Amino acid sequence: DAGVTQSPTHLIKTRGQQVTLRCSPKSGHDTVSWYQQALGQGPQFIFQYYEEEERQRGNFPDRFSGHQFPNYSSELNVNALLLGDSALYLCASSPSGVAGNTIYFGEGSWLTVV
Amino acid sequence: QKEVEQNSGPLSVPEGAIASLNCTYSDRGSQSFFWYRQYSGKSPELIMSIYSNGDKEDGRFTAQLNKASQYVSLLIRDSQPSDSATYLCAVRAGGSYIPTFGRGTSLIVHP
Repeated sequence: DAGVTQSPTHLIKTRGQQVTLRCSPKSGHDTVSWYQQALGQGPQFIFQYYEEEERQRGNFPDRFSGHQFPNYSSELNVNALLLGDSALYLCASSPSGVAGNTIYFGEGSWLTVV
Repeated sequence: QKEVEQNSGPLSVPEGAIASLNCTYSDRGSQSFFWYRQYSGKSPELIMSIYSNGDKEDGRFTAQLNKASQYVSLLIRDSQPSDSATYLCAVRAGGSYIPTFGRGTSLIVHP
C-alpha cells in the first residue's frame, strides 16, 4: 500500500522563479492538504483540496496556488519566489468523512530559494 | 486565531526514563488531538490520536487529554535514544477539516 508520495524531494530555485510541487495521495484518500514548514517551526497550513476544489485556505498570499486532478493527485504552485519561501513543503492526504480526521504526510519537498 | 502551544525544548531525559511532552490549545471547540513524531530532516509521522478525555495507551506511548484544562500530553515510557526527535501536537476544531500544529518539542534521550 503506497503512502503519500511527493516530487521532487529537493530543488533549488532563484528568486522570482516559479515552482511546481507534486503529490499523490495514499490509496483510498481523496483529500489533499499542503503545508509549509520552515526550520524550527511547525507545519503551517496552505490549503486543502477536495473534489478538485480548494475547500479551505490558510494565510498565504495568492502567489501560492494549487490544483487537484480527477485521480486525487495534486500540485502546489508558487510564483515569484522569495527567499522566505525556502522551506519543507509537505503534502498530507486523508479520506473524506469521519475517518478524515487523521492526515498522513508524504516525505516532503525541500525548496531552497537563492 | 486558533493556537497550539508547545515548549520548544529541548527536553533531555536519560535512557529508560519517562518523557512527558505537553501541549495547550486555545479553541474550546477542539475535538481531535494528534501527536506526530518528526526526525531531523524527515516528515512528520503520526504516533497517536485521541478524541475523549482521559488516557489512551499504545505500547510505550500514552496520550492524555483534559478538555476542561485545554491540555493534551504525551508520555513516553522507557525512553530510548531512537525516540530522540521533535514531537508535534496537532489540534482540530469541531467542524474544521484542518488540524493546527504547534511548533513542536525537541526530545533528546541520552544513553
